[in-house]
Amino acid sequence: QVQLVQSGAEVKKPGASVKVSCKASGYTFTAYYIHWVRQAPGQGLEWMGRINHYSGVTEYAQKFQGRVTMTSDTSISTAYMELGRLRSDDTAVFYCARGFPHFDYWGQGTLVTVSS
Amino acid sequence: IQLTQSPSSLSASVGDRVTITCRASQGISSYLAWYQQKPGKAPKLLIYGASTLQSGVPSRFSGSGSGTEFTLTISSLQPEDFATYYCQKLNNYPFTFGPGTQVDV
Repeated sequence: QVQLVQSGAEVKKPGASVKVSCKASGYTFTAYYIHWVRQAPGQGLEWMGRINHYSGVTEYAQKFQGRVTMTSDTSISTAYMELGRLRSDDTAVFYCARGFPHFDYWGQGTLVTVSS
Repeated sequence: IQLTQSPSSLSASVGDRVTITCRASQGISSYLAWYQQKPGKAPKLLIYGASTLQSGVPSRFSGSGSGTEFTLTISSLQPEDFATYYCQKLNNYPFTFGPGTQVDV
């Protein structure tokens, strides 16, 4: 069965970076994009961007351009999202999702807390 | 392209028919999906292509619309349907989500 398993919760200081992983199983990893979605506490869903594992091409939301980097390691079917220059308002749950283009499978979410 | 949802919240009872509307600021053909999210959980895909029911989703959920106006209908609300519902555009990047509609008891 298709599964996306994300790395565990992180606590970071303002100005630091965080790298979240998303390990896929149960399907051909390179056949689908992985998207990343942010959800701040009590807020809605915010699309951050996606990666095409086959070509390595990424597409980022304008809001995150210059601060986010999405990569993948096809040898271990894992996608990564790194967000830099963290601020307190980056505190959120980050989800990975398989894109088809609709998001049919989601990871469990990774809570990133930014606090001094 | 911006997405708006109405209402932002609603109160309903088990057995009620519930309709949520999503409007796009420009036409997006049928490139729209609907998701359900419960507290502390990842969103769950309900509808894609504006009207195609995702496998395993109960048939009381249905979607309609194209262009700029879309609706999600729950024909008979069940206790497990109390949640927040989001629409998402998928015609081009960015794959923006609507602000959500919270369905409460």
